[in-house]
Amino acid sequence: DAKTTQPPSMDCAEGRAANLPCNHSTISGNEYVYWYRQIHSQGPQYIIHGLKNNETNEMASLIITEDRKSSTLILPHATLRDTAVYYCIVRVAGSNTGKLIFGQGTTLQVKP
Amino acid sequence: EAQVTQNPRYLITVTGKKLTVTCSQNMNHEYMSWYRQDPGLGLRQIYYSMNVEVTDKGDVPEGYKVSRKEKRNFPLILESPSPNQTSLYFCASSLFSGVGGYTFGSGTRLTVV
Repeated sequence: DAKTTQPPSMDCAEGRAANLPCNHSTISGNEYVYWYRQIHSQGPQYIIHGLKNNETNEMASLIITEDRKSSTLILPHATLRDTAVYYCIVRVAGSNTGKLIFGQGTTLQVKP
Repeated sequence: EAQVTQNPRYLITVTGKKLTVTCSQNMNHEYMSWYRQDPGLGLRQIYYSMNVEVTDKGDVPEGYKVSRKEKRNFPLILESPSPNQTSLYFCASSLFSGVGGYTFGSGTRLTVV
């Protein structure tokens, strides 16, 4: 699975959009981009994933660049409860081990 | 509610005393997996199971056993716990390996003294 690079920390004002970047310059054509978050030692929570098209669900939007070398997770109206560590993970669909490789992630602090 | 349930949430035990952490999912998922999380090391896969009666080692399987006798349950067994197994443990499941998002349990914080 390709390696990802994320900034270690970010701040966001409550009510504003939080844009979390992820670099995955070595991504292969059959690898998906996944985003999870972990709120203070709770179990990681799946947010969204995509292959090459932009995706949106009730939690967030995922913007993947045309060359697929980077992506941005967008939380449109961040709340204090969105304070968490956000993980960008790249992996092949149908992986033999199903293993998720969690890097250090980005700690997002939403401030009032 | 679709969920992965782990028990117990917290456990303090002594070295060498066998213990089992249970994991159960109600989503009819084929794939289940165990992770441990340690400061500075992130989440690491211990064991995984593609389906009933099919289990395999992850990255850090030493000192652990698992079983998958039925689809919904995937217990993690520590036959002789040691202090280096003090950690935060998570069980996860998904419909199939590598497909879609995973659902994680709330975690089990284990302390071995």
